[in-house]
Amino acid sequence: EAGVAQSPRYKIIEKRQSVAFWCNPISGHATLYWYQQILGQGPKLLIQFQNNGVVDDSQLPKDRFSAERLKGVDSTLKIQPAKLEDSAVYLCASSPTLEQYFGPGTRLTVT
Amino acid sequence: DQQVKQNSPSLSVQEGRISILNCDYTNSMFDYFLWYKKYPAEGPTFLISISSIKDKNEDGRFTVFLNKSAKHLSLHIVPSQPGDSAVYFCAASQNRDDKIIFGKGTRLHILP
Repeated sequence: EAGVAQSPRYKIIEKRQSVAFWCNPISGHATLYWYQQILGQGPKLLIQFQNNGVVDDSQLPKDRFSAERLKGVDSTLKIQPAKLEDSAVYLCASSPTLEQYFGPGTRLTVT
Repeated sequence: DQQVKQNSPSLSVQEGRISILNCDYTNSMFDYFLWYKKYPAEGPTFLISISSIKDKNEDGRFTVFLNKSAKHLSLHIVPSQPGDSAVYFCAASQNRDDKIIFGKGTRLHILP
């Protein structure tokens, strides 16, 4: 079974620039999550999708972050404009139930 | 406010001995708990879980203990192996369909 795919694996941008991350969940998983993991912290949920609908985006900084999951399969997370404090690993996960399956993450460095 | 706390940033254990990773939580509404393991440059991998109706769940070398009155859970690894060296995250949710809250993680080093 193929795992959760994410790209790119690494990204370096300057502050105020824009960036987008892509995630392809495990086939058949209806629920998709985006997490932000800052160095030394645990993953923090940004947004949860059930199929193509948003279930929880209470911790998504909506002034600069956006996410979509068109057609209920793959998803993109965008940051526009980026700030220094956005430097983190962005993890995508999918699940059929509560146990979540994580992708390898995208390490973002904002300079 | 950290609802899930892992107070030990790191732990070193001799190979073959028992590793005990601890986790405390503050939200009494949590009723489902999970442990994830993370290697560098990889995403977290689900390890084991426990429902609040139980006080112990075992899977091979891994056992999770839950003490609801103390709002404390622990992960025991016996015997510890070199491949167990990783960061372990404790996580909790209010029900199986609710979002998961993660702790900061504990880095486990298994010494040869």
